[in-house]
Amino acid sequence: GAVVSQHPSWVICKSGTSVKIECRSLDFQATTMFWYRQFPKQSLMLMATSNEGSKATYEQGVEKDKFLINHASLTLSTLTVTSAHPEDSSFYICSASGTSGSETQYFGPGTRLLVL
Amino acid sequence: AQRVTQPEKLLSVFKGAPVELKCNYSYSGSPELFWYVQYSRQRLQLLLRHISRESIKGFTADLNKGETSFHLKKPFAQEEDSAMYYCALNAGSARQLTFGSGTQLTVLP
Repeated sequence: GAVVSQHPSWVICKSGTSVKIECRSLDFQATTMFWYRQFPKQSLMLMATSNEGSKATYEQGVEKDKFLINHASLTLSTLTVTSAHPEDSSFYICSASGTSGSETQYFGPGTRLLVL
Repeated sequence: AQRVTQPEKLLSVFKGAPVELKCNYSYSGSPELFWYVQYSRQRLQLLLRHISRESIKGFTADLNKGETSFHLKKPFAQEEDSAMYYCALNAGSARQLTFGSGTQLTVLP
């Protein structure tokens, strides 16, 4: 089946630093990747949608300068949390959908970010 | 705007009992509905989608457009079904999913 990986699985950083999270589709080409944020005991909230080779589309209320998304290839998208603050601490999950036209999204295992 | 509602945050049933996880949606067009499951310490994975009209792990879900519902059902729950279940809706060509708040199912022995 389709596999999506994320790296790192968890990261702890100091306030003010930037953190990059990678999302890779391992055995399929992902034309579209999605980034979600999940707070404890809450649902997934879509942050942005990225299509390979074009700018990401951000959901209302998500700062594009704060959460930089790059989808440079059909197998890699990155989310950079710039100048992270403690309120950015969360669980970040990516998903990817392929080129077959299927609506199915395949999810990564998530990245736990803790900003001190 | 689309919305997905899962009214039960927690649901407990005994092994062998029927289980129904409720999902209601609001969307003016023709949505595509999904159920995703997240077992403990595992990633979110697709359980089933309404257009497939299939049964996965004994679970079924029927889209009721009149009631705008997509309830997940299983006639005989098993302990391994204990997990977090999310109902999700795809309402556009961008393949974006709107998730419900999730229902934590616990199947008791």
